[in-house]
Formats: sequence, C-alpha cells, structure tokens
Amino acid sequence: GESVGLHLPTLSVQEGDNSIINCAYSNSASDYFIWYKQESGKGPQFIIDIRSNMDKRQGQRVTVLLNKTVKHLSLQIAATQPGDSAVYFCAENRRDYKLSFGAGTTVTVRA
Amino acid sequence: DTEVTQTPKHLVMGMTNKKSLKCEQHMGHRAMYWYKQKAKKPPELMFVYSYEKLSINESVPSRFSPECPNSSLLNLHLHALQPEDSALYLCASSTTSGGGTGELFFGEGSRLTVL
Repeated sequence: GESVGLHLPTLSVQEGDNSIINCAYSNSASDYFIWYKQESGKGPQFIIDIRSNMDKRQGQRVTVLLNKTVKHLSLQIAATQPGDSAVYFCAENRRDYKLSFGAGTTVTVRA
Repeated sequence: DTEVTQTPKHLVMGMTNKKSLKCEQHMGHRAMYWYKQKAKKPPELMFVYSYEKLSINESVPSRFSPECPNSSLLNLHLHALQPEDSALYLCASSTTSGGGTGELFFGEGSRLTVL
C-alpha cells in the first residue's frame, strides 16, 4: 500500500553541525506534508509543514524541502543543539482526516 | 506546554478492569483524534471525531470505546483489555472540519500498562 517512510532509522550528529533527515513518500496525490518532533515521554510536536505547490519552506533553524519529482521530503536543522535530540516523523496529510506517519528517525546530538 | 490535556498520564489496569482515558482541549478545534503508539513506532490512528460525531474507526476492537461528550472533551473507555494493548495513547485535535487534516496538536499521552 501507499505509505510515508524515512530513509534512516537513526542519525548521530555533532552539536553545532547541520542535520538532514530524509523521507520518501509513494502517494503522488499527497498535497500536504508535516514534520513532527517527539521527545522522550512526550507527544509529537509540530515543527513545520509544506504544501505540494511549494518546494521549500523555512522556519526557525529548520527548512523543509519537497521534491515531487522523486517523491522525497527532507528536514534540515541548522546548528543542531542537544535539545534537538528526539524522534522525527514525517507525515502525509490525506484528505480523509488520516495523517499517515513515517517510521521515524531518532536523532542523537553528540556534545 | 501542550494545549491538549490528557489524564491520567499513567494507568495500570488488569484485564478485567474498566477504565477511561480523558482528553480536553480549549482551542475551539472541531476535530479530535485518538492515536495508539507502541514503543519505537509511529502513532497509529484509532478514531476521529468531527463535530462530536465519530467519522473514522480504524477497525479498532470493541474493547476500546470512544466518546465525545462535547466539542472540548474526548474519552476513551477501556474494558477487558489485553497485555498487547499496553501502549502510549495520544489524543490530538485540529481545526479542520472537512477535507484534509490540518496541523494536529497532540497531548502528552496516557501510558497504559495492561497486566
């Protein structure tokens, strides 16, 4: 079936470096994507979203890139900090209220 | 701090018990959701309420019974659960009243352990 998935289950990054988290999706009809961050013991927290009529969107220290040609989504975190350690999920927003989550990438920031 | 409040944060129950999870939001959202999350897995959708009416049931066993008393409250009644039902149960809400899901605001979750 169609789903949203992440390329790597884990990512270790040096504090201060930039992080890139990747996600591939297969539903070409998807028109809205969201990145969530989930810290240990907490619920998912919205980071940034992007609609299919855009290819890039920037937030505070985060940038989401969307490549519809290859159905690829990425989240870039600038100057990664210890507080960025968490599990990151990409999610595909479908028109029937169903938000489909990818498997998640665990980001660990090394001091 | 999340604007979706879930209680209790932790719950331990036996397989013959009846308990309830509660969720409250005061953001005026008209769509509310229950998700189940197992360790190291993504959240899985269980139920969606839109304007206090159940709009989606993802083939969830009847031992889970949702209830939406009003636009701010969402309950999940639990009865005769199995140990494999142990998980983090997440409540969420969104502004979208039709069409696609907007940004979901999640609560901190209720961690359920079934003995």
